[in-house]
Amino acid sequence: EVQLVQSGAEVTQPGESLKISCQGSGNTFTNYWIGWVRQMPEKGLEWMGIIYPGDSDTRYSPSFQGHVTISADKSIRTAYLQWNSLRASDTAMYYCTRSPGRVGARYELWGQGTLVTVSS
Amino acid sequence: QSALTQPASVSGSPGQSITISCTGTSSDVGGYNYVSWYQQHPGKAPKLIIYDVSDRPSGVSNRFSGSKSGNTASLTISGLQAEDEADYYCNSYTSSSTEVFGGGTKLTVL
Repeated sequence: EVQLVQSGAEVTQPGESLKISCQGSGNTFTNYWIGWVRQMPEKGLEWMGIIYPGDSDTRYSPSFQGHVTISADKSIRTAYLQWNSLRASDTAMYYCTRSPGRVGARYELWGQGTLVTVSS
Repeated sequence: QSALTQPASVSGSPGQSITISCTGTSSDVGGYNYVSWYQQHPGKAPKLIIYDVSDRPSGVSNRFSGSKSGNTASLTISGLQAEDEADYYCNSYTSSSTEVFGGGTKLTVL
């Protein structure tokens, strides 16, 4: 089955670093872009950025640029979202999602989500 | 980069049609035919229901349709069914080579 499998829920403290992952099965990564979307509790979807694992070409939303890093390792079909210094306001569900194209992206496959809780 | 503007909520009775608007600017919705729509049920990941303004992915009901006029895109759901009750989000490509979602609309089937 074609799917994106995300790493498990995380509970961490402000100021800590964190890296969550999104692994694709089968040909899930070949010739696809992987995007990351944030959903804060009881709030809407926010586009964070996108990466092409083939060459690591990456784009960030201005709202997230500088606070998160998106990366990928195509050899293990895995994309990552990481923080160097978490804030309480980073508490949210984070989804990875796949698009066949960059311009005119259509997110046709989604991971199950990773819940990140940042609390002291 | 501001979120696209959607109504917070819409409602309709079974069998009726409803339309959800998504308003942006000439730098996003109005500038490209790259608007997509997503349906999200509580506790679930979003699901793509419309892309490129009006195209439907395979397997999505033809009760869902999309359109665009100027800086406003619209999602219409005809023949409302109970299972259509969910949150709906629009998404657009932008002139900054990024993307932006709408704030989301909660659909209630009465």
